[in-house]
Amino acid sequence: RKEVEQDPGPFNVPEGATVAFNCTYSNSASQSFFWYRQDCRKEPKLLMSVYSSGNEDGRFTAQLNRASQYISLLIRDSKLSDSATYLCVVNERDMRFGAGTRLTVKP
Amino acid sequence: DTGVSQNPRHKITKRGQNVTFRCDPISEHNRLYWYRQTLGQGPEFLTYFQNEAQLEKSRLLSDRFSAERPKGSFSTLEIQRTEQGDSAMYLCASSLYRDFEQFFGPGTRLTVL
Repeated sequence: RKEVEQDPGPFNVPEGATVAFNCTYSNSASQSFFWYRQDCRKEPKLLMSVYSSGNEDGRFTAQLNRASQYISLLIRDSKLSDSATYLCVVNERDMRFGAGTRLTVKP
Repeated sequence: DTGVSQNPRHKITKRGQNVTFRCDPISEHNRLYWYRQTLGQGPEFLTYFQNEAQLEKSRLLSDRFSAERPKGSFSTLEIQRTEQGDSAMYLCASSLYRDFEQFFGPGTRLTVL
């Protein structure tokens, strides 16, 4: 089993749609969690940290379920500029990245 | 530009040659990470430094790979006797503390012929 697994995608959605990504992790001792965004041929950049109580940043909401060992990212009112690959990241002794979920938002 | 920089941006080499990449982190960041990324995959952790100390090394990292951060500032990653399977994007990242945001450099794309 991979340490961090994500929905493979790709997700193709129209502008304005709501889209959700899930991610599961295998190490119950993992301590911190993040979502990174990676544009095509660019480096990853932090989108948001994921807190135990869940957190929201504008149109983006992240949730953590420690009991089930999964993390989610919800994007509301999606924009063309949201098209990217979204990487789930779990921090154990080092950062473990999922393979990423590709999102394409279409007009 | 005060971000993470990497050199060279592209490297093409023949199988069996040695290559060395350099990473200059954000100046006040004491943690420096190396990752490898292949097409369709997320970054794969290779190693990280806290200041000049190499604290963790992936068990997937063969002994052909070595990294240094001699003065706790820039770092180098050397691959000896390159193989075609080493072809990938090599990313460097730095952070201020352990659970803080990692800032990535633009990467060095290695092609082994």
